[in-house]
Amino acid sequence: AQSVTQPDIHITVSEGASLELRCNYSYGATPYLFWYVQSPGQGLQLLLKYFSGDTLVQGIKGFEAEFKRSQSSFNLRKPSVHWSDAAEYFCAVGAYGQAGTALIFGKGTTLSVSS
Amino acid sequence: DVKVTQSSRYLVKRTGEKVFLECVQDMDHENMFWYRQDPGLGLRLIYFSYDVKMKEKGDIPEGYSVSREKKERFSLILESASTNQTSMYLCASSPPGLVETQYFGPGTRLLVL
Repeated sequence: AQSVTQPDIHITVSEGASLELRCNYSYGATPYLFWYVQSPGQGLQLLLKYFSGDTLVQGIKGFEAEFKRSQSSFNLRKPSVHWSDAAEYFCAVGAYGQAGTALIFGKGTTLSVSS
Repeated sequence: DVKVTQSSRYLVKRTGEKVFLECVQDMDHENMFWYRQDPGLGLRLIYFSYDVKMKEKGDIPEGYSVSREKKERFSLILESASTNQTSMYLCASSPPGLVETQYFGPGTRLLVL
């Protein structure tokens, strides 16, 4: 069965420091991978997605993610974190399943930014 | 810009009430989704619709039903609300296909007393 694991529930990073959020997936075929961000009180917004080609994907707000098939990972990175990046981050895999085409989400990682 | 709107940001209902959550999208998307978000559990798919009057059960459909009479509108119905349905409900829409971005509404926080 398809699944997504985000091993870190909560991460705190100093403003200006680099960030890496981990995501591991389980999917039999070529995965379609997404990172979404949810700011407090808001819906989810797409940061970036991967479905083929270059394994390093650039997204909005200075984020990037690297797809590593051998490690079944799709980690999100940012070289310098800003206080406004404090939010909850969700990794997801697009999958065919009982519900047709749908996203399977990880449980999320909450990012706190300290000054 | 794609816009997905949800009828209420906050709702308080009593146990046993019938509850309607409405979602409208303005981008003529074929797919619409209802998710439930709970702390520590992430987003779980309740129902999905890929066309008018078409629906598919997601991972947690029990206690819920849906209606899609028009392409732009997707309603989630709690037939008889229970306290364990207190949650954040998120609606999303997308074009068809696995690679397509889902666009989310702001969510409805439902409290069932």
